[in-house]
Parts: sequence; C-alpha cells; structure tokens
Amino acid sequence: AQSVSQHNHHVILSEAASLELGCNYSYGGTVNLFWYVQYPGQHLQLLLKYFSGDPLVKGIKGFEAEFIKSKFSFNLRKPSVQWSDTAEYFCAVNVDFGNEKLTFGTGTRLTIIP
Amino acid sequence: NAGVMQNPRHLVRRRGQEARLRCSPMKGHSHVYWYRQLPEEGLKFMVYLQKENIIDESGMPKERFSAEFPKEGPSILRIQQVVRGDSAAYFCASSPAGGGSNQPQHFGDGTRLSIL
Repeated sequence: AQSVSQHNHHVILSEAASLELGCNYSYGGTVNLFWYVQYPGQHLQLLLKYFSGDPLVKGIKGFEAEFIKSKFSFNLRKPSVQWSDTAEYFCAVNVDFGNEKLTFGTGTRLTIIP
Repeated sequence: NAGVMQNPRHLVRRRGQEARLRCSPMKGHSHVYWYRQLPEEGLKFMVYLQKENIIDESGMPKERFSAEFPKEGPSILRIQQVVRGDSAAYFCASSPAGGGSNQPQHFGDGTRLSIL
C-alpha cells in the first residue's frame, strides 16, 4: 500500500524567506501527486497537482513543486513567503489505476512571522 | 457555484448516541469520498461512493460506521453508538463523474464531531 511522509511537522519562517516543504511517497507504480493547503478554520484547497508531463508544476499563490521520480519526492517550494501563507500543508498521492482515494501525509504546519 | 456542502459544521453527541453527517457534492459531481482527521494527524481515507454504490470502503471501521449516497439527496456518514475515540473532523470531498483518478477532489468545510 502507498504511504506519504512529510518530515517537517512545524516550520517557522520570517516573511520573504524561501520555503521548501518535503514530501516523499512510497509506491512503485504510476502516481498522481497533490499539495493541499488548509488555512485556519477553512477547508482544504488544492494548491497544485502533478499527473504527467513537466515534473515542475506551478500552482496558485506563487507555489511550485517538483516531481523527482528517482527520489519518490514531490517537494513544495515558494521563493518568498508572506504572512498570509500561514496554514497547514498536506501532500497527497493517488494511485493511477482507477481508485481515486487520496493518501495524505500528516501535514506540515507553517507559521510565518511578520 | 456552490462548493461541497457539509452539515452540520459542529456536532456534539454523548457516548452511545448516533451521529449523522451529511455531504452534498459540488454540482455535477457524482463521486463522494469521506475522510477522517484525528487531532495532530493527516486525513485518513474512509470510503468512496458513487450514486447508490459503495466503491471502496477499505478505510471504514468494521463496526458502527456506515455510509450511503442515495440516488436523491446528500451522502450520509452514520456512526452508531459513538465513543470518545470517534471525536474528529470528518471531511467530505467530491469529483466529477467519469473523471478517473486524475481529477482533483474538492473538499467541504468538514464536520467537527465531539463526543462527551
């Protein structure tokens, strides 16, 4: 069965700092990869997704992620964070054989200090 | 365009009572998924339904939990004889029909269930 690891449980950064959140998955076959964000008190929103093609994926709000198949990784990056990026970030994987359930990592809580 | 609607937002039950959580998918979506989020943990898949069919219930506890998605009306997650360990946030997500596994799921605001 597939699994997702997010090693950073809580990250604290100052505004304008660069961000990289790690995500590794374990599955040998084709996968679809997602990053979701959950702002305080709100529902999960899709930041970006990778299905196929260019492994560097650009999402909303200046976020991007790079799929490195050899490392089973899909790290999330942003060159300059803002206070409004304070939220919980979840990496998720979906195995591409018709089963649409998502397997989530445990999440990374990001706190941006003004 | 209304998103995924879940109600109630907060539900309080005493041990032994029943909890019913409702989810109306986005307009045009006929695939529904339920996830549970325990404190300090990520979301865990529970069940995947299409209209009148349970497709995958591999994440559902064997007892007390059931889910349905009738031809008309919202999807219902039902927990009978609730226990303290059922306290969690329950999220519903939906995706379009025929999308296969490369359609992103859209999430509702969740129902926070508290067991006294």
